[in-house]
Amino acid sequence: QVQLVESGGGVVQPGRSLRLSCAVSGFTFSNYHMHWVRQAPGKGLEWVALIYSDGSDKYYADSVKGRFTISRDNSKNTLYLQLNSLRAEDTAVYSCARDPHSHWYFDLWGRGTLVTVSS
Amino acid sequence: QSALTQPASVSGSPGQSITIPCTGTRSDVGGYNYVSWYQQHPGKAPKFMIYDVTRRPSGVSDRFSGSKSGNTASLTISGLQAEDEADYYCSSYTSSNTLVFGTGTKVTVL
Repeated sequence: QVQLVESGGGVVQPGRSLRLSCAVSGFTFSNYHMHWVRQAPGKGLEWVALIYSDGSDKYYADSVKGRFTISRDNSKNTLYLQLNSLRAEDTAVYSCARDPHSHWYFDLWGRGTLVTVSS
Repeated sequence: QSALTQPASVSGSPGQSITIPCTGTRSDVGGYNYVSWYQQHPGKAPKFMIYDVTRRPSGVSDRFSGSKSGNTASLTISGLQAEDEADYYCSSYTSSNTLVFGTGTKVTVL
C-alpha cells in the first residue's frame, strides 16, 4: 500500500527542538524528491522544505531557514525534519509529500503530525 | 516570499461553472509553468487536481481545468457538484528555488 505516515509531533516549549519522521511504504522512496508542508490550525498551506531524491540538494522556506533541517535515509525509507529554536508561529500540522516529477507538486500526502509550540 | 493571491470565497449553483484566480508575479506564476492546484476537504489531506498549469492527473474529473495568463493562473470547475465544495489552493515554483502556495479559496455550492 502506497502511503506516507508522519510521527514525532507533540507539545514543546518555545526555543526547544523536535524531530519529525515520515515513514514511506509502497513505492521506491529513493526515486523521489520529498517535501514538508505545514498548515497552522484554521489556516492555509505553507511549504517548508524540499530534499532531492539522493539527498544532494535541500531548499527551505525563508520562515524556517537556519532553524529547520530536512534529511532522509533511503535505506530506511524515512524522511526527517529537525525543528530547532521553535516559535509559537511554528504551531501547525506538518505533512510530508511526494514530488513525482521534480516539478514542485505533490501527488501523495501524509495525514500529518501536529506540532504545538507553547509554554 | 508572499503567498499567491486567491479570493477568500467563490460560490456557484449546481451545474454552473466557476473560476478561481491565483495571482502572483513574474518570479513565480508568470515565470514558470510549475503551477498546481489542490482540493482539500475539512480534516483531510490535500488532493492534487492540476499540475504543470494545465495537466490533469488520471482519476481527476475532466470538469476541472487549469490555465494561465501572465502572472495569473486559474482553476475552472465546470458542472459544479455538491462534492466540489472544499478549499482550493494554488501553488507555484519560484525563482528562489522555493514553492509558494496561494491564500486559499473556499468553494461553496449553493
